[in-house]
Amino acid sequence: GENVEQHPSTLSVQEGDSAVIKCTYSDSASNYFPWYKQELGKGPQLIIDIRSNVGEKKDQRIAVTLNKTAKHFSLHITETQPEDSAVYFCAASSYFGNEKLTFGTGTRLTIIP
Amino acid sequence: NAGVTQTPKFQVLKTGQSMTLQCAQDMNHNSMYWYRQDPGMGLRLIYYSASEGTTDKGEVPNGYNVSRLNKREFSLRLESAAPSQTSVYFCASSEFNEQFFGPGTRLTVL
Repeated sequence: GENVEQHPSTLSVQEGDSAVIKCTYSDSASNYFPWYKQELGKGPQLIIDIRSNVGEKKDQRIAVTLNKTAKHFSLHITETQPEDSAVYFCAASSYFGNEKLTFGTGTRLTIIP
Repeated sequence: NAGVTQTPKFQVLKTGQSMTLQCAQDMNHNSMYWYRQDPGMGLRLIYYSASEGTTDKGEVPNGYNVSRLNKREFSLRLESAAPSQTSVYFCASSEFNEQFFGPGTRLTVL
């Protein structure tokens, strides 16, 4: 089955700086890669996703890049703000539609004011 | 719309007791999922249901059973709780990839 590794497990950055979280996956058939943000005491929420036919996707201050050859994808957050402090999870899936996701182990991001 | 709701929010059980975690969604989604979240291990899939009347095992199904009661509801049952089942449990639903998560149930087994 799919295996997703995520690094780092914790990350602290100064407010206004950029943060990068990296994930690798093992199944070359995976073609859908979402990122979820989990705030304290809440369930995860989708913030951005990318499909394997796209190399990069951007939504305001967040962007995701995908390297299919190397089987890794990354989340980039620019101009970080205190409300970006949360746990971030990457995931991978080998099907479109209603299929199982395999999650990474999470990154706790702390923005230092 | 309430989205995905879970009950209870918190529960403490003694070893060997049984309980059912309830989940309901009002988004008319076909797929529903149960995950457990443990420190340093991310979200691990316990069971999922691709549609009403179907269920399938995920990564960590041992010690759990599920029921897809109808399209809205998907329950998770612990028949004989063990301390290793102490965790936070999340239910989710989806239609076309994006999964919507409930607020979670924090379960402690003593």
